[in-house]
Amino acid sequence: LAKTTQPISMDSYEGQEVNITCSHNNIATNDYITWYQQFPSQGPRFIIQGYKTKVTNEVASLFIPADRKSSTLSLPRVSLSDTAVYYCLVGDPLDGGFKTIFGAGTRLFVKA
Amino acid sequence: DTAVSQTPKYLVTQMGNDKSIKCEQNLGHDTMYWYKQDSKKFLKIMFSYNNKELIINETVPNRFSPKSPDKAHLNLHINSLELGDSAVYFCASSRPGQSRYGYTFGSGTRLTVV
Repeated sequence: LAKTTQPISMDSYEGQEVNITCSHNNIATNDYITWYQQFPSQGPRFIIQGYKTKVTNEVASLFIPADRKSSTLSLPRVSLSDTAVYYCLVGDPLDGGFKTIFGAGTRLFVKA
Repeated sequence: DTAVSQTPKYLVTQMGNDKSIKCEQNLGHDTMYWYKQDSKKFLKIMFSYNNKELIINETVPNRFSPKSPDKAHLNLHINSLELGDSAVYFCASSRPGQSRYGYTFGSGTRLTVV
């Protein structure tokens, strides 16, 4: 099972770019990297997913180096509403979800 | 329209009772899940189910059982509730193979056993 390691918490200010790095040294060939966002009293929400190199959508960018042993979620110009827990997951989308492990996540605090 | 809906949102009950949490998804997904989030905010998968196969996390007590009347529903039944069952339970769904969409979670059910 691919484990992930993320910082426990991060602080930022409104308007700044935030980069959260996740380590996953034993990532397998079929594993994808997926990031979720969770607000209090809500379920996790899918943000972005990638396999290698760079992926960008309207919310974030995901940078994955060639060895795929780490990944970085980049949130451009954060706002107060981006305060949440961010989870990095590594797993094979075809495995039925059972081997995709949620770690402790990173608590991001965005200050005014 | 809510994609994955759970009821109730809050559930307070006494030890020893039997309770159920309902989950419905209108996304047409093939697979549904139940997750438990404990007080330390760790999310742990309990069950994975599609119309062919139920996969059970071996650490889940057999007091917990999923019931799926159809593809769009996966309810969670809990017998003989214990204090340690207090947690937030999330239902989720996915369509394996559509790898770029991940899991869609419900808003959770906060279960408190007193």
